[in-house]
Amino acid sequence: DIQMTQSPSTLSASVGDRVTITCRASQSLDSWLAWYQQKPGKAPKLLIYKASTLEAGVPSRFSGSGSGTEFTLTISSLQPDDFATYYCQYYNSPYPFGQGTKLEIK
Amino acid sequence: QLVESGGGLVQPGGSLRLSCAASGFTFSNDWMHWVRQAPGKGLVWVSRINSDETNKKYADSVKGRFTISRDNAKKMLYLQMNSLRTEDTAVYYCARDGAEDYHYGLDVWGQGTTVTVSS
Repeated sequence: DIQMTQSPSTLSASVGDRVTITCRASQSLDSWLAWYQQKPGKAPKLLIYKASTLEAGVPSRFSGSGSGTEFTLTISSLQPDDFATYYCQYYNSPYPFGQGTKLEIK
Repeated sequence: QLVESGGGLVQPGGSLRLSCAASGFTFSNDWMHWVRQAPGKGLVWVSRINSDETNKKYADSVKGRFTISRDNAKKMLYLQMNSLRTEDTAVYYCARDGAEDYHYGLDVWGQGTTVTVSS
């Protein structure tokens, strides 16, 4: 099975910072990768699909890139609402998630 | 919108049936998923069903114990969970697969229902 590994597990940053989260897969995913944001006690929210396509309504400060086995989620200028946990997911069976990256306020 | 129900406290070895009511979208054309999250842990995919129930997939950890099903007329998704183990304790989310709208991810999620397996 495909394994998804995110780094870092925890990221401390300040409002206005540019941050990047990496997701690596044990096998090629082509571009079948999605990114989600989850806040405590809430359901996840789809941010990006097909590695780089922004879901409707998601602010343009979020962007995704990559293909094959390495992908990145970038937030260009952190806003207070962005502090949350982020997950990548391979969009094919068995749909594995990464372990998550918790974005904390520095 | 998706609304889950059916969670609760159950003893190891017991059974539980989760339900997920859909509204605001077609449902009958959509593939659907269950995803779970143990307390303080990450997201784990559990199961997926296609639109006409002819194709079902399960995580290895639940294969043979859980059964996913749907009723398109009622716009309902189900997860029958048998032989429950303590490690099945989690919040269970139902989610829509956005492929029908070319959104290749899980684009609509319920609020989750909590399953606790404990003696």
